[in-house]
Amino acid sequence: QSVLTQPPSASGSPGQSVTISCTIDSDDVSGYNIVSWYQQHPGKAPKLIIYEVNKRPSGVPDRFSASKSGNTASLTVSGLRAEDEADYYCSSYAGLHKRPFGGGTKLTVL
Amino acid sequence: QVQLVESGGGVVQPGDSLTLSCTASGFPFSRYNMHWVRQTPGKGLEWLMIIADDGDGSYYADSVQGRFIISRDNSKNTLYLHMSNLRTEDAGRYYCARDVNWNYDYWGQGTLVAVSS
Repeated sequence: QSVLTQPPSASGSPGQSVTISCTIDSDDVSGYNIVSWYQQHPGKAPKLIIYEVNKRPSGVPDRFSASKSGNTASLTVSGLRAEDEADYYCSSYAGLHKRPFGGGTKLTVL
Repeated sequence: QVQLVESGGGVVQPGDSLTLSCTASGFPFSRYNMHWVRQTPGKGLEWLMIIADDGDGSYYADSVQGRFIISRDNSKNTLYLHMSNLRTEDAGRYYCARDVNWNYDYWGQGTLVAVSS
């Protein structure tokens, strides 16, 4: 069983940095380094923005960075822009091929 | 470019069955594991199931185990989701997603399922 816990909301002003956490409570320790993050704008499909804890797919701005310490993964958005306002989800491998998501964090750019 | 297009959603009654399709293009479909993920109204994402690239092996979330079945036809570049005994809580948008190294790297736009009496 695996539970990924995210704060429901986060906010910041343009130009600032915001960090979103994802606490992983899993019986399968081996899944801890398989953490990915997804961005979802209203009415759109989710988009992969971070994989394998801290790697960015081609085309994702380097304003998006991520890390993991212990059982907590974090996504940081630096130099906030209006277009960063979206929902963000973490996901991890939880054993037995299961890939749960966190509950999502709504990022508001003030 | 990679494209995933879901279809088959609609309005059904509790207890009904429904089959969703996901047609893939722009990549060698038969070389990729594939997922179904749903998003319920106002809520987050829920992983539902995965199928191996050759169709030999599938795994399900507890919430749909025994009611939903994933399958694929690699000759048609199509992924399927067979849903039975639908419940009101199954309503939502259903996405197919491609798997690359344990990540969902491409998603379709989803197809909407409504379950209402």
